[in-house]
Amino acid sequence: DTAVSQTPKYLVTQMGNDKSIKCEQNLGHDTMYWYKQDSKKFLKIMFSYNNKELIINETVPNRFSPKSPDKAHLNLHINSLELGDSAVYFCASSPRLAGGAQETQYFGPGTRLLVL
Amino acid sequence: AQSVTQLDSQVPVFEEAPVELRCNYSSSVSVYLFWYVQYPNQGLQLLLKYLSGSTLVKGINGFEAEFNKSQTSFHLRKPSVHISDTAEYFCAFPLVGTSYGKLTFGQGTILTVHP
Repeated sequence: DTAVSQTPKYLVTQMGNDKSIKCEQNLGHDTMYWYKQDSKKFLKIMFSYNNKELIINETVPNRFSPKSPDKAHLNLHINSLELGDSAVYFCASSPRLAGGAQETQYFGPGTRLLVL
Repeated sequence: AQSVTQLDSQVPVFEEAPVELRCNYSSSVSVYLFWYVQYPNQGLQLLLKYLSGSTLVKGINGFEAEFNKSQTSFHLRKPSVHISDTAEYFCAFPLVGTSYGKLTFGQGTILTVHP
């Protein structure tokens, strides 16, 4: 009964390819996030969606495009992959927008992306 | 600008010893503060959070943290650590004044518990 799941867990690909990472949460949460953790373990938010609507869009190359088909899913598509995209990508969710900054975020296990 | 700093990148400690992981924040307004833990090859999970009220916050696995407004700190403590506490610990706080949880994370502290 995984709360926040991501697929794939590992992704090894060549520069220039396009890839997608999928995220699903079964917690009934309204808000979902994508974070990037670099090789130094620094975590930075990339995007957030609330009920399929984009609410946070950090300074991320437009090669990265999130898509939320419904509030339980938030996928991340990456075009023209570059070496610097190698990182661990975490999906997270939180209960409701109204709770705002107080809400606990629940993280998935991460997707380890390696671009060769 | 708001920021959070974890003062130690690595903390080695022996099993059953006490430990303190330090976190300082910078903000001109009231804050909420969180500690998350990341076990090897896993996602992050919440240890504890301070929203308001009592400055001593108790979390899971015997951890606690104290919010100190005058010193702008939120240090994490455990009186007796176990091997299973080996993990990376992140202090974080959300952007104030927003209705959504845009978390800013510290650099992380790797806690290694030795037998």
